[in-house]
Amino acid sequence: DAGITQSPRYKITETGRQVTLMCHQTWSHSYMFWYRQDLGHGLRLIYYSAAADITDKGEVPDGYVVSRSKTENFPLTLESATRSQTSVYFCASSRDEYSNQPQHFGDGTRLSIL
Amino acid sequence: KQEVTQIPAALSVPEGENLVLNCSFTDSAIYNLQWFRQDPGKGLTSLLLIQSSQREQTSGRLNASLDKSSGRSTLYIAASQPGDSATYLCAVRVVTSYDKVIFGPGTSLSVIP
Repeated sequence: DAGITQSPRYKITETGRQVTLMCHQTWSHSYMFWYRQDLGHGLRLIYYSAAADITDKGEVPDGYVVSRSKTENFPLTLESATRSQTSVYFCASSRDEYSNQPQHFGDGTRLSIL
Repeated sequence: KQEVTQIPAALSVPEGENLVLNCSFTDSAIYNLQWFRQDPGKGLTSLLLIQSSQREQTSGRLNASLDKSSGRSTLYIAASQPGDSATYLCAVRVVTSYDKVIFGPGTSLSVIP
């Protein structure tokens, strides 16, 4: 089915480990986003991408790395995981007409860092 | 700095009741306002988007209004159903030196059969 697929859905890891969250969309939307959702903070933008090979920082980018070598994929990497990065992570996309405004969301990755 | 709030944080109503969810924002300089629904363990689903030049948008039993001058939006749900139970979030796209979308914390709605 068309849409946004995030993997894994659940992940438990230890502090200091590197972990990569995957995001794949089948619409060929130009814009893709990574958000984290935390109680008390709501949804906060980590990184976004306007097209392949174009990425930019959002509100809370520290400790995260992204890449976008293909339009359909937008992986998010935690280079050295910390407990403060325990959160639910959402990938989103939008067509050009909505530009920097997420329209379609994946079901999220629940990440726990021990 | 734009801040988005939603009151109440949680709401429980009996099935069939009409209800209103509120969203407030501090800066009226916005491109648009969007309402989303989030089911437990799921991502956000876009419900309605209101451009800054519009006053309201309707989709089925949902009606969203926007009053930029007062910094308020309401989401009206008619004849609520148990399937409407979810968290509803509003998000504003701000007009600043950089394009940005700010989400509210959400209102958790429970419709009791």
